Amino acid sequence: GESVGLHLPTLSVQEGDNSIINCAYSNSASDYFIWYKQESGKGPQFIIDIRSNMDKRQGQRVTVLLNKTVKHLSLQIAATQPGDSAVYFCAENGNTGKLIFGQGTTLQVKP
Amino acid sequence: EAEVAQSPRYKITEKSQAVAFWCDPISGHATLYWYRQILGQGPELLVQFQDESVVDDSQLPKDRFSAERLKGVDSTLKIQPAELGDSAMYLCASSPPRGNTGELFFGEGSRLTVL
Repeated sequence: GESVGLHLPTLSVQEGDNSIINCAYSNSASDYFIWYKQESGKGPQFIIDIRSNMDKRQGQRVTVLLNKTVKHLSLQIAATQPGDSAVYFCAENGNTGKLIFGQGTTLQVKP
Repeated sequence: EAEVAQSPRYKITEKSQAVAFWCDPISGHATLYWYRQILGQGPELLVQFQDESVVDDSQLPKDRFSAERLKGVDSTLKIQPAELGDSAMYLCASSPPRGNTGELFFGEGSRLTVL
């Protein structure tokens, strides 16, 4: 079946350091991927997306990398801040086009 | 900034009772989604609407769950009777007409606790 997973359930980083959150996906037919951030008690918030015809996309302090060969997606956050503390989900569109979410990685930022 | 509105934010109910959640998507968003998120997991799609029509309800437990979007704007998700395993966050999301992105805009969610 289709599944999207993240390598680590929890990532702890020092404030100011760069964070890298990883995601492995299983469906080679997926051509669209999104990273969402979810703060405690709130709904997921869009961070950045990427289509399969790209291997890198940059936003403000965030970069998403896509490696289709090994079906791997990563989110890099530069100069991590306390406000970045949240659960991060990757999602893919799979065969049907509907978004399938992974299990999430909790990012903890230490002051 | 336009937001997806959901209510109630929190609901505590006893098993076998009925419960309903309401969602008002961002104006102009024809597609509306209901997701269920169990604590510690990613959201799972329950039902997807395109205007007033159901596009996908394959993961909706239809013996107890129902969803409607009668006028193609706001939507209601109902559970009757509620079971202990229904305790979760119920998230509504909407998306604009398909353009350059498939981004979903989520509401704050309705957290259900079934006792």
